[in-house]
Amino acid sequence: GENVEQHPSTLSVQEGDSAVIKCTYSDSASNYFPWYKQELGKGPQLIIDIRSNVGEKKDQRIAVTLNKTAKHFSLHITETQPEDSAVYFCAAQFGNEKLTFGTGTRLTIIP
Amino acid sequence: EAGVVQSPRYKIIEKKQPVAFWCNPISGHNTLYWYRQNLGQGPELLIRYENEEAVDDSQLPKDRFSAERLKGVDSTLKIQPAELGDSAVYLCASSRGGGGTLEQYFGPGTRLTVT
Repeated sequence: GENVEQHPSTLSVQEGDSAVIKCTYSDSASNYFPWYKQELGKGPQLIIDIRSNVGEKKDQRIAVTLNKTAKHFSLHITETQPEDSAVYFCAAQFGNEKLTFGTGTRLTIIP
Repeated sequence: EAGVVQSPRYKIIEKKQPVAFWCNPISGHNTLYWYRQNLGQGPELLIRYENEEAVDDSQLPKDRFSAERLKGVDSTLKIQPAELGDSAVYLCASSRGGGGTLEQYFGPGTRLTVT
């Protein structure tokens, strides 16, 4: 089955700096890659996603890049703010099959 | 537009007791998912519905877990009897379904503690 690995498990950055979280997936047929942000006591919130026919997607301070050949994708957050502190999950999906999630990255923004 | 609604938000029960969780998806979303999230882990799919039909329940422990979505809208997930290892957050998500619509939106979850 699909396997998604996520690194790092924890990440601390100074406010205003950039943060990068990386994921690799095992199923080359995967074609949809969402990123979720989960704050304490809340459900995961979809923040950005990318499909396999696109190499990069940007939405204000967040961007996602996809390298299909290497089977990895990354989340980039620029100009980080305290409210960016949360746990971030990557996921991969093939067709209409189930989402397989990474193990999460706890991001802490240091004021 | 209202998001995915789940209740209760918290539940504490003793082992061997039954428990049920309820989910109301986003209006118009035909696909409904139940996930379990253990502490420090990502969500794992338990069951997926397309309208009333359970199309993927391969990860649902059928000896003690059951789910239903009788009218293709609300859904209930039940555990009977609960075990200590069932302590987790149970998340419901929904998506529009159909070709090309893959975005899943999650509810706040139900945190279950089995003592």
